[in-house]
Amino acid sequence: DADVTQTPRNRITKTGKRIMLECSQTKGHDRMYWYRQDPGLGLRLIYYSFDVKDINKGEISDGYSVSRQAQAKFSLSLESAIPNQTALYFCATSDRDSASIYEQYFGPGTRLTVT
Amino acid sequence: DQQVKQNSPSLSVQEGRISILNCDYTNSMFDYFLWYKKYPAEGPTFLISISSIKDKNEDGRFTVFLNKSAKHLSLHIVPSQPGDSAVYFCAASGGSYIPTFGRGTSLIVHP
Repeated sequence: DADVTQTPRNRITKTGKRIMLECSQTKGHDRMYWYRQDPGLGLRLIYYSFDVKDINKGEISDGYSVSRQAQAKFSLSLESAIPNQTALYFCATSDRDSASIYEQYFGPGTRLTVT
Repeated sequence: DQQVKQNSPSLSVQEGRISILNCDYTNSMFDYFLWYKKYPAEGPTFLISISSIKDKNEDGRFTVFLNKSAKHLSLHIVPSQPGDSAVYFCAASGGSYIPTFGRGTSLIVHP
């Protein structure tokens, strides 16, 4: 079974709709992240959380919100989706207590299309 | 302004030859560097890393070189195999442990 799972894997939604992307992990890591990937733009950080009570904005947080429901779950919401939020979204985790603290473990991604 | 730059969007190499992927950074506070590999329809996976106290790190066919004075690192794959065809992301971290990613280089290894 995958250590970091994302649901849904694909989603098409209309402009103005609210949508939630979910991420769950079984790695026991305390740190979780949301990224988006656009063609030619690499991975850009949306939000990150170092523990359940810690939520921080990344470089492109406008139009997004997050919820850390538990150590293992980190959800990303688009309150009112717009077409330029069409992208590939990745959840990632990392382990504060690991010798490999810098390494991140990514989920398989959610392809979101906003029409 | 990009702090981590991968100036080659794509690279094509013959099987068995060396692949060299390059990465430049501008932030002198970065002290840890990573390479990730991404196949289509999958998330990125960690490949190899290097701390700023080293100038070289090897793992099998993969070697990362770091030139701190030039703020440049490179990933060498020898010999290249068709299964290495993927997008490679360079990433750099400082004290926050949160990486900044480059835009990626698509490597195609031809049989």
